[in-house]
Amino acid sequence: AQTVTQSQPEMSVQEAETVTLSCTYDTSESDYYLFWYKQPPSRQMILVIRQEAYKQQNATENRFSVNFQKAAKSFSLKISDSQLGDAAMYFCAYRRLTSGTYKYIFGTGTRLKVLA
Amino acid sequence: DGGITQSPKYLFRKEGQNVTLSCEQNLNHDAMYWYRQDPGQGLRLIYYSQIVNDFQKGDIAEGYSVSREKKESFPLTVTSAQKNPTAFYLCASSIGPPSELFFGEGSRLTVL
Repeated sequence: AQTVTQSQPEMSVQEAETVTLSCTYDTSESDYYLFWYKQPPSRQMILVIRQEAYKQQNATENRFSVNFQKAAKSFSLKISDSQLGDAAMYFCAYRRLTSGTYKYIFGTGTRLKVLA
Repeated sequence: DGGITQSPKYLFRKEGQNVTLSCEQNLNHDAMYWYRQDPGQGLRLIYYSQIVNDFQKGDIAEGYSVSREKKESFPLTVTSAQKNPTAFYLCASSIGPPSELFFGEGSRLTVL
């Protein structure tokens, strides 16, 4: 069975600095999707970034980028120029590519604190 | 605006009572999901449905039931058989691969 592990329960970063959140996963599949979701205090889950496993290029969305290491099964999220609004829980998620199952598997989350 | 609406946002119930949480979407998505969120445990899948009139158990289905009579609606019933029902419940939908999940704002259930 696939699993997703986020080993950092909590991280802190100074405003305007860069922080990296870790995520590892276990799968025997070769094609899949990986996601990072943000859950601010309002608790509304928001998609931050998505990566297709068949793409070698790391995904980037403005200040958010990933370091996708397929062989190592690692999918870290880098937040540059951190802002106070980035403070939230961040969840890493995995989904198989193939149809027939629509299950998404989530990690336990990392709480990010941004210090002014 | 398209989205997912969960209601109620907060719900208090006495132990032993069944409770139904509503989830409605107007995104025309085929797949819908219910997740439970507890501190330190991330999101755990309760039930999911890929198409109308069909649904599958997730990882923690015991004590819960669902129905999918309409594409737009996927209500979750928390039954008295659920031993620890106090939690935050999230409903989500997706159009299918490679789509991400779209989430509602959640429902907080407290059993007294």
